[in-house]
Amino acid sequence: GENVEQHPSTLSVQEGDSAVIKCTYSDSASNYFPWYKQELGKRPQLIIDIRSNVGEKKDQRIAVTLNKTAKHFSLHITETQPEDSAVYFCAASKGYGNKLVFGAGTILRVKS
Amino acid sequence: SQTIHQWPATLVQPVGSPLSLECTVEGTSNPNLYWYRQAAGRGLQLLFYSVGIGQISSEVPQNLSASRPQDRQFILSSKKLLLSDSGFYLCAGSRDRGRTEAFFGQGTRLTVV
Repeated sequence: GENVEQHPSTLSVQEGDSAVIKCTYSDSASNYFPWYKQELGKRPQLIIDIRSNVGEKKDQRIAVTLNKTAKHFSLHITETQPEDSAVYFCAASKGYGNKLVFGAGTILRVKS
Repeated sequence: SQTIHQWPATLVQPVGSPLSLECTVEGTSNPNLYWYRQAAGRGLQLLFYSVGIGQISSEVPQNLSASRPQDRQFILSSKKLLLSDSGFYLCAGSRDRGRTEAFFGQGTRLTVV
């Protein structure tokens, strides 16, 4: 079955710097890759997603890139702010009728 | 829009007692439904997922079971809780049989004492 690995497990950056979180997946049939942000004690919330027919997607300070050949995708946060501090999860799915598998998560700390 | 209702928000149960957590979905039909457990505030461990009524896939051997009696209802159960069952349980759903993103319920923080 699908296996998603996420790195790093923790990441500390200075406010205003960029943060990059990387994930690899094992099943080449996976075609949907969402990213979630989870603040302390709250539910994960979708922040951006990408499908396998696209190489890059951007939404303001957040972008996701996908390399299908290498089977990895990354989350890029630019101009980080203290409110970006949270746990970030990547996930992968083969879509219709298939489960969503999550990475182990990355604790992002933005220091002001 | 799709909404996941999950209750209760917190629960304290003694070892050996039964458990029933219920999750319902509004705003969509034919959803994939999931139960995840999050221990120590980190990873999301997939416990069960369901693509339809009566269809349950168990991901890890454990003391828990799941049922889906209706298309929009997903129940997590245990006959006898263990201390190791403590954690943050999240129900999630994705419409169109998993073709889109998953939405999460508020979560249930279970403490087994």
